[in-house]
Amino acid sequence: DTAVSQTPKYLVTQMGNDKSIKCEQNLGHDTMYWYKQDSKKFLKIMFSYNNKELIINETVPNRFSPKSPDKAHLNLHINSLELGDSAVYFCASSQGGAGDTQYFGPGTRLTVL
Amino acid sequence: GEDVEQSLFLSVREGDSSVINCTYTDSSSTYLYWYKQEPGAGLQLLTYIFSNMDMKQDQRLTVLLNKKDKHLSLRIADTQTGDSAIYFCAEYNQAGTALIFGKGTTLSVSS
Repeated sequence: DTAVSQTPKYLVTQMGNDKSIKCEQNLGHDTMYWYKQDSKKFLKIMFSYNNKELIINETVPNRFSPKSPDKAHLNLHINSLELGDSAVYFCASSQGGAGDTQYFGPGTRLTVL
Repeated sequence: GEDVEQSLFLSVREGDSSVINCTYTDSSSTYLYWYKQEPGAGLQLLTYIFSNMDMKQDQRLTVLLNKKDKHLSLRIADTQTGDSAIYFCAEYNQAGTALIFGKGTTLSVSS
């Protein structure tokens, strides 16, 4: 009965590959997010998304794209992986949008070789 | 732009109190948050405080908010080795679309 789940937990891949990370929430929340945590543990927003609006952090390369098949899922697709993409990626969700408490998934550790 | 600052390290002995401090720039966030990250684990929502409150107590945790100075602190009473983790302070950005995190304070508890 995990609230926010992500798969896979670990992902090791070669440069240039395309990969996806899946996120599911069973909280009935309307808004989902992707955050990136780098090797120094700094956390930065990548995307926030509800069924009306996708907000993209302008520093995120367009090789990254969120895809939402339904309200409970927000997957992260990454094209042409680079070494600098190695990080831990966290999915989160909140009830509404502005100002609501966010609940995080366990993270996906991506290693690009 | 919005910014959240924290000291990076804190070392305490088991049984002592720990105080983790945070300063922030944007005062429009309705709530301010503390998240805990244990080694190799995800982000756990630890506690949060409504921006109109000065203090919130939750068992061993006390959150103090000084809105005038834009200063937030987390006090952990009777700190245990299991409290060793990284603690992140966070607030919403002005648009209310994403959390802005501090760089995290690594709390090390020695027995």
